[in-house]
Amino acid sequence: EVQLVQSGAEVKEPGESLKISCKTSGYTFNTYWIAWVRQKPGRGLEWMGIVHPGDSDTKYSPSFEGHVTFSVDRSISAAFLQWSSLEASDTATYFCAKLRAMGRIAAAPLDNWGQGTLVTVSS
Amino acid sequence: EIVLTQSPGTLSLSPGERATLSCRASQSVSATYLAWYQQKPGQAPRLLIYGASNRATGIPDRFSGSGAGTDFTLTISRLEPEDFAMYYCQQYGSLPAFTFGQGTKVEIK
Repeated sequence: EVQLVQSGAEVKEPGESLKISCKTSGYTFNTYWIAWVRQKPGRGLEWMGIVHPGDSDTKYSPSFEGHVTFSVDRSISAAFLQWSSLEASDTATYFCAKLRAMGRIAAAPLDNWGQGTLVTVSS
Repeated sequence: EIVLTQSPGTLSLSPGERATLSCRASQSVSATYLAWYQQKPGQAPRLLIYGASNRATGIPDRFSGSGAGTDFTLTISRLEPEDFAMYYCQQYGSLPAFTFGQGTKVEIK
C-alpha cells in the first residue's frame, strides 16, 4: 500500500526557518515525482511545484520560486519542504503528493496524498 | 500559466440528484491532462478522474468526466451522502504550474 506520511503541525514566528517532511512507503521512491500543494485556511489548492527523487530535479511554480526549497533523502524515502524565513502569509496546510506516472514524466495527476501539515506563522 | 475557472461556486442539491460541475480553461488543455479531485473537510484531496474521463482506482461509476479543449465537466449521476464535498479540477499538461481551479462546493439542499 502506497503511503505518504507528513510531519506534524508547526507553530513558528515570522523570520524563522522550517523544514517539514513527507515520508513515503509502498512504492519505489526514486521513480515518481513528488508534488507540494498549499492550501490556505478556507481556500483552494495551490500548486507549488515538484521534485524528482531520482536526481533531485525540481520545477517550482513562479509564485513560490525563491521562497521555498524542495529536497529529498533517498536513504529514507522522504521529501522535504523548507523555508529559510517564514512570513505570516505562509500560514497554510501543505500537502505532499505522488504523481501517477513513472519515470521522468511530469505530466501526471496526483494519485496518492499525504495527510497535510498545518504551518502557523504568527508573532 | 493556464487559469481554470470552475462553476458554479456552490451547488445545492439533494441526495439522489444529478450534479454537473464545470471547469473552463483560459487556453486549450489536452484532455489527456485534466483531472478532478474530491476534498472533504480536514482531509487530503482524492483523485477521482484523470485524462478527463478515466476513473481512478476505486472510484464508483456514478462519477464520470468529459470534455475537450477548454470545457470540461464532472458529473455525479446520483448523489450519495458521502459525495457532498469540494471538487477541484486540475490541468497537468502545462508547466510552470499544474494549476487547480478554485473549486465547487456540492452541499446538501
